[in-house]
Amino acid sequence: AQSVTQPDIHITVSEGASLELRCNYSYGATPYLFWYVQSPGQGLQLLLKYFSGDTLVQGIKGFEAEFKRSQSSFNLRKPSVQWSDTAEYFCAVKDSGGYQKVTFGIGTKLQVIP
Amino acid sequence: EAEVAQSPRYKITEKSQAVAFWCDPISGHATLYWYRQILGQGPELLVQFQDESVVDDSQLPKDRFSAERLKGVDSTLKIQPAELGDSAMYLCASSSDREDTGELFFGEGSRLTVL
Repeated sequence: AQSVTQPDIHITVSEGASLELRCNYSYGATPYLFWYVQSPGQGLQLLLKYFSGDTLVQGIKGFEAEFKRSQSSFNLRKPSVQWSDTAEYFCAVKDSGGYQKVTFGIGTKLQVIP
Repeated sequence: EAEVAQSPRYKITEKSQAVAFWCDPISGHATLYWYRQILGQGPELLVQFQDESVVDDSQLPKDRFSAERLKGVDSTLKIQPAELGDSAMYLCASSSDREDTGELFFGEGSRLTVL
């Protein structure tokens, strides 16, 4: 069964600093990979997605992620975080083809301090 | 911009009572999902519909939970009787089948507190 690991439960960074949130997945073939963001008390919003092609994908709000097959990773990055980036971030994986479910990681809570 | 609508946003109930949540997906989205998100955890799929048919309910506690999508549009998730451990955010999401991308569009969720 597919699974997602987000090893960092809580991260605190200063405004203006760079950010990298880690995500590792377990799946036999090349999955579809996603990063979602959730503000407190809200639903989830898609930041970016990877299906195929260029392994570096750009998303909204200045985020990017890189798919590394050899490491089974899909880490999220941002060169300079803002206070408004404070939220919870979820990595997710989906089996390609058919009506396969989307499996989410446990999430990483990001706190950006001024 | 089209959105997934959910109601109620908040529900407080006592254990052993019945509770229901409603979801209206984005128009034209054939796939509808109900996820449960316990505080501090990621969303867990409860049930997935393709039109009016259930395609995955393997994690749905069927002794107390039920879900329906009778006309293949809006959906209702019911819990009867509610237990303390059911306190969570219940998220509805939908996706389009025009592309097999798996991108989910989420509603704002229904937060359930069971006392």
